[in-house]
Amino acid sequence: EVQLVDSGGGLVQPGGSLRLSCAASGFTFNNYGMSWVRQAPGKGLEWVSTVSSSGGNTYYADSVKGRFTISRDSSRNTVYLQMNSLRVEDTAVYYCGKSGQFDAWGQGTLVTVSS
Amino acid sequence: DVVMTQSPLSLPVTLGQPASISCRSSQSLVYSDGNTYLNWFYQRPGQSPRRLIYKVSNRESGVPDRFSGSGSGTDFTLKISRVEAEDVGVYYCMQGAHWPRTFGQGTQVEIK
Repeated sequence: EVQLVDSGGGLVQPGGSLRLSCAASGFTFNNYGMSWVRQAPGKGLEWVSTVSSSGGNTYYADSVKGRFTISRDSSRNTVYLQMNSLRVEDTAVYYCGKSGQFDAWGQGTLVTVSS
Repeated sequence: DVVMTQSPLSLPVTLGQPASISCRSSQSLVYSDGNTYLNWFYQRPGQSPRRLIYKVSNRESGVPDRFSGSGSGTDFTLKISRVEAEDVGVYYCMQGAHWPRTFGQGTQVEIK
């Protein structure tokens, strides 16, 4: 069974940093790209970033480009989202997703950016 | 960016009756491999989204056959043949053919 476990969220001040993790199991991790999507309180879904299966290609939404970095560790079957220079508008539940087509989702981790 | 436009945004339905959600894209979703990457997702309040349909019309394992997807190019539809109480929630379309990936605004399905 495919399982994605998101972690690392919390309360951070504007301008601060946070690193999210997504531990994957139940499938051959190295064969799939991995993604992050976020959902602000009461709002819809917004794609954030995707990393290719090899890690060699990364894609970002304009709203996070230059501030967020996606990476993956095949030895740990884990994908990360390093978030720097956080803004109030980054407040959201962040979900990890399998591939760029989101055939499986994590449970989400809440990031709150507030002073 | 490809804009995904869903309608309606709110859909009150009667139990046992059909329901239909439209999703239109601002560009063709046919990828260079010949596939059309249009997905449908369902989200209950407080839960993670779940993919129901991929590549326009393919149901995920375990998705009831009352759900069906159709369409081509830039015009797509999700249909529920007979709405059940457990179908209440928000439905999103998403295009997976272009970067950045983009979602529709979501359609809230509720029981009348």
